[in-house]
Amino acid sequence: SSELTQDPAVSVALGQTVRITCQGDSLRMYYATWYQQKPGQAPILVIYGKNNRPSGIPDRFSASDSGNTASLVITGAQAEDEADYYCNSRDKSGEQRVFGGGTKVTVL
Amino acid sequence: QVQLQESGPGLVKPSEILSLTCNVSGGSVSSERNYWSWIRQPPGKALEWIGYISNTGSTSYNPSHKSRVTMSLDTSKNQFSLKLSTVTVADTAMYFCARDRFGDYLDGFDIWGQGTMVTVSS
Repeated sequence: SSELTQDPAVSVALGQTVRITCQGDSLRMYYATWYQQKPGQAPILVIYGKNNRPSGIPDRFSASDSGNTASLVITGAQAEDEADYYCNSRDKSGEQRVFGGGTKVTVL
Repeated sequence: QVQLQESGPGLVKPSEILSLTCNVSGGSVSSERNYWSWIRQPPGKALEWIGYISNTGSTSYNPSHKSRVTMSLDTSKNQFSLKLSTVTVADTAMYFCARDRFGDYLDGFDIWGQGTMVTVSS
């Protein structure tokens, strides 16, 4: 079973804001990284650290964290943001990695 | 720009060993502070971290598979490999290799291979 919990699915109207959450005890000690995966493609990193975007990731993607919950926020969602999003972090030991179960984002 | 490419058999029989290789181009598997992870995704399911190997050869494996997993590094070929023994149909998945920035400011997977599908079937 996953030590990081995500809602299975969320939907957002085009141009609106959506928050995707990831819960787990290890998030009190470690940041989450966030990945976007479109059908038939490898995941890509969209957020790392406190709130950092790799080159090429639009600034409508941001992150925040509070206690045992990390959040990925898409402000002004676009049709191309429709995808599965996964959080990842370390486990409570800090020695291994664990993924959340993924959240399917639908842009209406 | 570092690129990763997985290779290996697409079909493995139950109880046999699944062997995959990830070729690294544009960089070195021996580069300091680089870790190299394997991640898999059964059809329609979530990503699952299998384990990593560091540039020095130290490893860490997902406890769920620890008894069956072996990872190795081949610096002469600039590759790293995964072996998963005694496979079952539950090991059918897309297998990805990824560069893992474990322990540095990024602390995640910044570069991924395109993935290779492995089916376990007799």
